[in-house]
Amino acid sequence: DGGITQSPKYLFRKEGQNVTLSCEQNLNHDAMYWYRQDPGQGLRLIYYSQIVNDFQKGDIAEGYSVSREKKESFPLTVTSAQKNPTAFYLCATLQGGGYTFGSGTRLTVV
Amino acid sequence: GQQVMQIPQYQHVQEGEDFTTYCNSSTTLSNIQWYKQRPGGHPVFLIQLVKSGEVKKQKRLTFQFGEAKKNSSLHITATQTTDVGTYFCAYHWGTGGYNKLIFGAGTRLAVHP
Repeated sequence: DGGITQSPKYLFRKEGQNVTLSCEQNLNHDAMYWYRQDPGQGLRLIYYSQIVNDFQKGDIAEGYSVSREKKESFPLTVTSAQKNPTAFYLCATLQGGGYTFGSGTRLTVV
Repeated sequence: GQQVMQIPQYQHVQEGEDFTTYCNSSTTLSNIQWYKQRPGGHPVFLIQLVKSGEVKKQKRLTFQFGEAKKNSSLHITATQTTDVGTYFCAYHWGTGGYNKLIFGAGTRLAVHP
């Protein structure tokens, strides 16, 4: 959506499993972000990256990891250390004014 | 970065009524942005305000940034069912060349026909 593709749309994770959420953009934007949204709540920042091979922890980075090997890609891994991973995950890019968000991945622990 | 407080958390209106959501900060903000998220969807950028006392309009939506740059409001005139969703305010916060967007908790708008 708007040049940002998130996959999969829905993801189910078993207890103790690591899962990776994909975020790809063709907007040629430098900055990319991962947010988590819990039902009825706002967005909380997990990780962000201003340029390739560089990223910073956000407010709730524990239990998550990222990489930024290419400008177009910013995958998020939800590790088994994340005790409450069920949420809606949103990837976004920024260039100039507002953020452009992907359509999100809904992760559920089963 | 400081939190921004949004009120109300939830508003239920009849179609045709007006709606206003407020965003308040204890510190001066350099900018404020507004986003709309439809049920089941993702946030969509509406507007950014940067100047003290700035007012911008988009059709039935009016956005204001306070004189002290500590508060902002979004007003919708004559709501329609298409206005249903959650409205978030957010602001840029950055240090050392790293910038991030900090969101309020949002105001959920329900419009009954």
